[in-house]
Amino acid sequence: AQTVTQSQPEMSVQEAETVTLSCTYDTSESDYYLFWYKQPPSRQMILVIRQEAYKQQNATENRFSVNFQKAAKSFSLKISDSQLGDAAMYFCAYRSLSGTASKLTFGTGTRLQVTL
Amino acid sequence: NAGVTQTPKFRVLKTGQSMTLLCAQDMNHEYMYWYRQDPGMGLRLIHYSVGEGTTAKGEVPDGYNVSRLKKQNFLLGLESAAPSQTSVYFCASRERGELFFGEGSRLTVL
Repeated sequence: AQTVTQSQPEMSVQEAETVTLSCTYDTSESDYYLFWYKQPPSRQMILVIRQEAYKQQNATENRFSVNFQKAAKSFSLKISDSQLGDAAMYFCAYRSLSGTASKLTFGTGTRLQVTL
Repeated sequence: NAGVTQTPKFRVLKTGQSMTLLCAQDMNHEYMYWYRQDPGMGLRLIHYSVGEGTTAKGEVPDGYNVSRLKKQNFLLGLESAAPSQTSVYFCASRERGELFFGEGSRLTVL
């Protein structure tokens, strides 16, 4: 079974600065998807960014980018020019491509605080 | 667009009571999932469905039952609630690679 580990329970960043959230995973598969989800106080789960394992190029979405290191099984999220609205819980997730159910396995989350 | 709707949003139960959480999606998605979220544990899969009339167990299925009689609805039932089932429950449906989540249902079992 796959596991996802987020070793930083909490992180803090000043507004306009850059922060990196860490995620590692364990799998024996060669093809899969990785995701970062944001959960603000409203509880809504919002997809931030997605990375397909077969793509070497790191995904980017505006101020959000990832550093995907397949050999190291590492998938970190970088948030540039941090804004107060970025404060939330961030979850890393893994999706296997084997089988038909495509279930997501989540990490335990990192709470990001953004300070003035 | 309603997307994925969960009802109720909040519920307080006494130990031993039963209840059903309803998840409805209007996107014609085949796949639907129920997760629970607990502090420090992320989201864990309870049950899932790959289409109308099908259900399967996830990571933490004990104490829960599900039904998918209609494609748009996925019901999560607790037959005899226990304090360990106090949690926030999320329903999700899938389109291609992306999961769409409901807003969550906070359940407290006293």
